[in-house]
Amino acid sequence: SQTIHQWPATLVQPVGSPLSLECTVEGTSNPNLYWYRQAAGRGLQLLFYSVGIGQISSEVPQNLSASRPQDRQFILSSKKLLLSDSGFYLCAWSGNYGYTFGSGTRLTVV
Amino acid sequence: GQQVMQIPQYQHVQEGEDFTTYCNSSTTLSNIQWYKQRPGGHPVFLIQLVKSGEVKKQKRLTFQFGEAKKNSSLHITATQTTDVGTYFCAGARTSGTYKYIFGTGTRLKVLA
Repeated sequence: SQTIHQWPATLVQPVGSPLSLECTVEGTSNPNLYWYRQAAGRGLQLLFYSVGIGQISSEVPQNLSASRPQDRQFILSSKKLLLSDSGFYLCAWSGNYGYTFGSGTRLTVV
Repeated sequence: GQQVMQIPQYQHVQEGEDFTTYCNSSTTLSNIQWYKQRPGGHPVFLIQLVKSGEVKKQKRLTFQFGEAKKNSSLHITATQTTDVGTYFCAGARTSGTYKYIFGTGTRLKVLA
């Protein structure tokens, strides 16, 4: 069966520090992968999606970037975090039964 | 751009009461999905609706896709405390799309 792993679960980072969040998928090949952000008590905002290695589409201009170095690995990065980058970051892959989300990373920028 | 709104934003109900959340898109959708997010958790896929006027049921949950494929609803009969969470709809403009636009969500609180 397909599983998705996302880490870390929580992260507190100072303003201006770099960020790297990793997501890996098991049990499927060539998945469509996504990064979403959820502000506290809000909906989900699509940040990036990828349909294959090295193929990244950005949905909104922002302080973040994404990379897909391997088929089942998706990385969200920032060189310098802003306070506004705080939120709940969710990785997901899409299959026949909707999105399957990772457990998420709760990022607080202080 | 495409927007998907949900109402109400919040709903408090007594256990045993019914609950309905409505999802409205600014554009015609190819299909719509519904998700549930428990407090502190991640969204979990519930169901997908594809056909105009489609109605699907999952135990106490009834999902409906509008005739014009621009709106949808989720109705819960006789709510239980386990129904607590935020319910999101997510719409796709075209079939086979990689992108779904999520609704703003409805947060349900069930009072025992």
